[in-house]
Amino acid sequence: GAVVSQHPSWVICKSGTSVKIECRSLDFQATTMFWYRQFPKQSLMLMATSNEGSKATYEQGVEKDKFLINHASLTLSTLTVTSAHPEDSSFYICSARDRSEKLFFGSGTQLSVL
Amino acid sequence: GQQLNQSPQSMFIQEGEDVSMNCTSSSIFNTWLWYKQDPGEGPVLLIALYKAGELTSNGRLTAQFGITRKDSFLNISASIPSDVGIYFCAGQLRAGGTSYGKLTFGQGTILTVHP
Repeated sequence: GAVVSQHPSWVICKSGTSVKIECRSLDFQATTMFWYRQFPKQSLMLMATSNEGSKATYEQGVEKDKFLINHASLTLSTLTVTSAHPEDSSFYICSARDRSEKLFFGSGTQLSVL
Repeated sequence: GQQLNQSPQSMFIQEGEDVSMNCTSSSIFNTWLWYKQDPGEGPVLLIALYKAGELTSNGRLTAQFGITRKDSFLNISASIPSDVGIYFCAGQLRAGGTSYGKLTFGQGTILTVHP
């Protein structure tokens, strides 16, 4: 099946710094990618939809300036958590949609902000 | 955002037993998907359902797309220890509208299998 690579798998950073998470579709082109956030033992909550070559669409309550999304190519989307604070600590997961409209998920990034 | 109603929240079963979990929604979906998530990993697609009434199997897994398009169930037969994990249902709209392609997830079912 299609492979979505997410990097890094985990990151620890100091409060106030910015963290970039990459999501790559390795063997297919993805015009649309999605970014989710997941707290322990909870479901995935959609943060934003990333469209190649255009601005991301954010879900209600998600700060655009806090979570910067860039989808510069058909195989790469990035999520940057700016000025991270402890409450931003979470598991972030991306997914990419292939031509058959199936969604494939990355392996997730565990962010811990000290 | 909107969530699907997934039940049960957790299950503790003996190896070899069958498992059943389901999802209901107040909204219609065109596609129902079932995922399994292991700790520290992203969800992995188990079964995708595209038509109302569709019954699909994948090994020991069987899932059905409800006739009303507002519900789905997943059955696991003869459970084994590696079935342990969190199972999520997800509904997807696949035709037009601003929700196109987005998944709405259930709350998850935590499955524990005792050897």
